[in-house]
Amino acid sequence: DVKVTQSSRYLVKRTGEKVFLECVQDMDHENMFWYRQDPGLGLRLIYFSYDVKMKEKGDIPEGYSVSREKKERFSLILESASTNQTSMYLCASSAPDRIGNTEAFFGQGTRLTVV
Amino acid sequence: QKEVEQDPGPLSVPEGAIVSLNCTYSNSAFQYFMWYRQYSRKGPELLMYTYSSGNKEDGRFTAQVDKSSKYISLFIRDSQPSDSATYLCAFYMDTGRRALTFGSGTRLQVQP
Repeated sequence: DVKVTQSSRYLVKRTGEKVFLECVQDMDHENMFWYRQDPGLGLRLIYFSYDVKMKEKGDIPEGYSVSREKKERFSLILESASTNQTSMYLCASSAPDRIGNTEAFFGQGTRLTVV
Repeated sequence: QKEVEQDPGPLSVPEGAIVSLNCTYSNSAFQYFMWYRQYSRKGPELLMYTYSSGNKEDGRFTAQVDKSSKYISLFIRDSQPSDSATYLCAFYMDTGRRALTFGSGTRLQVQP
């Protein structure tokens, strides 16, 4: 059974803290993604990676960084958490491009509150 | 103009109704068209996908794509309370970045 696991369901952090969100997938997928989901805004892409040690900025990378040291693990880092980063964070993975295969598998999400 | 427009709802219908969910998009490079379903406090899951204009049916669900109008729809027949969820349209293109572009999602409530 396909699985993407995020390390925490709920997190509460203080403004200015450095925050790590961890994501692990067991499908040997090359591509991994971090999205944030906010009411009325849908899913917005923060960063993605299609190989170990490679990363690409998405639409809203400011205030975030990522790390991919192993194929199965993709970490999202909030360098200095701010209240406007309070959100639902979703990790996803997918197989490399091939015709007809565009499915992304999502984790259960991490609800982060910054106070 | 936003790349993808989707009515956020909420949409409330009685059990057994036919539901129509829609998205419009502006990027003509999109080649793959998907619908994801997201239950409360869960991650989205792929419901249907297609890459051509026309209709694709899977049980009670029909995905419709009109590339000339840049418009996609999801129809749900005989809707059930278990269909209550947020439905997100998603788009993908083979060129450029290998990431899905999502609509904002429509929240659907099917009343028993």
